[in-house]
Amino acid sequence: EPEVTQTPSHQVTQMGQEVILRCVPISNHLYFYWYRQILGQKVEFLVSFYNNEISEKSEIFDDQFSVERPDGSNFTLKIRSTKLEDSAMYFCASNGDRSNSPLHFGNGTRLTVT
Amino acid sequence: DAKTTQPTSMDCAEGRAANLPCNHSTISGNEYVYWYRQIHSQGPQYIIHGLKNNETNEMASLIITEDRKSSTLILPHATLRDTAVYYCIVRPLSGNTPLVFGKGTRLSVIA
Repeated sequence: EPEVTQTPSHQVTQMGQEVILRCVPISNHLYFYWYRQILGQKVEFLVSFYNNEISEKSEIFDDQFSVERPDGSNFTLKIRSTKLEDSAMYFCASNGDRSNSPLHFGNGTRLTVT
Repeated sequence: DAKTTQPTSMDCAEGRAANLPCNHSTISGNEYVYWYRQIHSQGPQYIIHGLKNNETNEMASLIITEDRKSSTLILPHATLRDTAVYYCIVRPLSGNTPLVFGKGTRLSVIA
């Protein structure tokens, strides 16, 4: 069964550094998402992306964040200057073009900012 | 904010049916009910979804009340691997409306 894959599984970075989290959505999916989950807290929506542009973003997704689909398969989340509070699990998700198509999630990247 | 209410936690004996309730009294006519689960710190896993009819797949059954204000997810024969946090989410009929997660129900399956 096709799945969403995310790399790396764990990323450690120093405060102030840029990080890029990578995702390969399911191949025929059209809608892409990033979520994050701080340890012990809820899964929070960050941003959705369709047709090469952002569809919706939350208050968390400020100017430090950006997303890109650089080619036909990858979907990336960039954090320009990481802060300690960016430490979290980051999940990528995708879904198809049917209106009730469920989102499918990857297993996440654990980002640790030191 | 999540539009659903779920119990914080539940226990279920291994091999028995696990029945997880969810209230969504303000659900709109164009909103589906989705169920996901999260095992430890893995990514949320899709289980099942429905609009108004009961649904069944290889993982679970979804029973939606006639007034659509509540639903129950049924795992017919719970195993230890079903221990997870289960999320009930309502989502409009739309291609890219994001899911909004609440706190879910922590289901513990006990041997």
